[in-house]
Amino acid sequence: KQEVTQIPAALSVPEGENLVLNCSFTDSAIYNLQWFRQDPGKGLTSLLLIQSSQREQTSGRLNASLDKSSGRSTLYIAASQPGDSATYLCAVWDYGGSQGNLIFGKGTKLSVKP
Amino acid sequence: GAVVSQHPSWVICKSGTSVKIECRSLDFQATTMFWYRQFPKQSLMLMATSNEGSKATYEQGVEKDKFLINHASLTLSTLTVTSAHPEDSSFYICSARGGQGRYEQYFGPGTRLTVT
Repeated sequence: KQEVTQIPAALSVPEGENLVLNCSFTDSAIYNLQWFRQDPGKGLTSLLLIQSSQREQTSGRLNASLDKSSGRSTLYIAASQPGDSATYLCAVWDYGGSQGNLIFGKGTKLSVKP
Repeated sequence: GAVVSQHPSWVICKSGTSVKIECRSLDFQATTMFWYRQFPKQSLMLMATSNEGSKATYEQGVEKDKFLINHASLTLSTLTVTSAHPEDSSFYICSARGGQGRYEQYFGPGTRLTVT
């Protein structure tokens, strides 16, 4: 059974710092991996999607990497800003069931202090 | 990007009543829709998956007679919580797949259900 773990559970950094969020998954047979952002009481915003054949994806100050063989992904945020404060969720789309489904980690709650 | 809406954004109901939540894909045809539930400080847990015109597939432990899912068209799915109890209070999020990003799921803004 696929399990997704995110470390750390919470992170507080001063504005301007570069930071890394970690995600690990137990079964490397995934179709893709997706990083989301969730603001309090809100839905999910997709940040980056990495197909299983890809190694990384970049969008602005965000860079996500994927090492399928070791079951790991990292989300790198450069020059963090207070507006980046949110919970970041990692999810893998595995082959379970007839259609596959997204398995989520519990998230990393990020707080960027001005 | 593809947009998914949910209605209502929040609802309060009395124990024993039923509540319907709508999920719509606004600018694409959603071949598959998903319903998730999220308890405080927990991650999203998949409740069920539905394809348009077919019966939903429920995850283990989710009561299909309590959480009725209808996916009558390619742009609309509904979740009805029947005979709601306080323990059903949660954040319900729908998701849709089938837009431009074929392998991507697009999420709605969520519905906060409080059962008193």
